[in-house]
Amino acid sequence: QKEVEQNSGPLSVPEGAIASLNCTYSDRGSQSFFWYRQYSGKSPELIMFIYSNGDKEDGRFTAQLNKASQYVSLLIRDSQPSDSATYLCAVKALSGGSTLGRLYFGRGTQLTVWP
Amino acid sequence: DVKVTQSSRYLVKRTGEKVFLECVQDMDHENMFWYRQDPGLGLRLIYFSYDVKMKEKGDIPEGYSVSREKKERFSLILESASTNQTSMYLCASSRTARGYNQPQHFGDGTRLSIL
Repeated sequence: QKEVEQNSGPLSVPEGAIASLNCTYSDRGSQSFFWYRQYSGKSPELIMFIYSNGDKEDGRFTAQLNKASQYVSLLIRDSQPSDSATYLCAVKALSGGSTLGRLYFGRGTQLTVWP
Repeated sequence: DVKVTQSSRYLVKRTGEKVFLECVQDMDHENMFWYRQDPGLGLRLIYFSYDVKMKEKGDIPEGYSVSREKKERFSLILESASTNQTSMYLCASSRTARGYNQPQHFGDGTRLSIL
């Protein structure tokens, strides 16, 4: 079983602060890593993905990947109350050369940004 | 733009009924997925399909079946609904590619209640 672990939170930060969300995964052969945001009662929406070691920036969001440590994180700069949601980490594992696109999801971290 | 459409947002059925949940995507994606999401348990994969008439069991297939007669449509069937199948059901789709980036795109979800 491929494990994807996230701290369930809740993580609470003040408006304008940096929110740091973390994710670890068990399968060393994992290829691609995705962050989804899910508002209460809504479906997950893709924020960004990363597949190379290092940082990837998109606006206020930065994804960081360290394959040696099997660790991926999401930083949200200048956090806004509208960022309050559950953030899901998802991992695409290399599974027998599969291209089926199955992702393994963590249970999510609940983020609250207070004004 | 990506569009995954689930036939119902809310559905109420009775125990023992046969229930059909429909999902349609307009992106010509090869892969389609059915998840259920329950508080504290995260997203759990029920079934997925990587081609027309093909299906693979996910992590919790018991009590469910699926049908994929056309590429754009993936149906989830509860053969004899039970109260423990009350949940939020999410459909997703993705491309098949040998590259790294295969994000899944989700529909709005169906909140199913079995009485």
